Amino acid sequence: KQEVTQIPAALSVPEGENLVLNCSFTDSAIYNLQWFRQDPGKGLTSLLLIQSSQREQTSGRLNASLDKSSGRSTLYIAASQPGDSATYLCAGGPGGGADGLTFGKGTHLIIQP
Amino acid sequence: KAGVTQTPRYLIKTRGQQVTLSCSPISGHRSVSWYQQTPGQGLQFLFEYFSETQRNKGNFPGRFSGRQFSNSRSEMNVSTLELGDSALYLCASSSQYSGANVLTFGAGSRLTVL
Repeated sequence: KQEVTQIPAALSVPEGENLVLNCSFTDSAIYNLQWFRQDPGKGLTSLLLIQSSQREQTSGRLNASLDKSSGRSTLYIAASQPGDSATYLCAGGPGGGADGLTFGKGTHLIIQP
Repeated sequence: KAGVTQTPRYLIKTRGQQVTLSCSPISGHRSVSWYQQTPGQGLQFLFEYFSETQRNKGNFPGRFSGRQFSNSRSEMNVSTLELGDSALYLCASSSQYSGANVLTFGAGSRLTVL
């Protein structure tokens, strides 16, 4: 059974810093890895999707990497802004349509102005 | 392009009652997945429907059920509500099955069981 862990659980940094959020998973047969953000009281917004054959994906100031051999993914946020404050969740897709996505508990990020 | 619409957004029920939640996916999306989010357990997969067929089901009791209609709209039902069913219920749609594609989530239905 896939388990996803995110470290740290919470992070507070001043505006402008570059930061890294970590995600680890137990089953290397992961099909893909998705990163989402969730704002308070709202649903999830997809940020990046990395297929199992890919190593990384980039979108604007965000870069996500996937290392299946070590069971890790990282989300890099460059030049952080107060608007980046949210909870960031990673989720592993098992492929073959089995069991949906397995989510980590998330990293609660606060960017101080 | 309209997003994923969930109704109702908020509802309060008492123990023993039942509840039905609705999800309208993005036009053209055939897959609808449901997740339960609680502070203690985080996001947990409930089930996924694709072209009116349940593809997968998570580890939830039979009180949790769902269905999908020919227009891809989906409903989930929880019978005999328990206090522990209080949660944010999120649905997500994708063009193909959820395991391989970007999911678009709705804003959720927040259920409080008293």
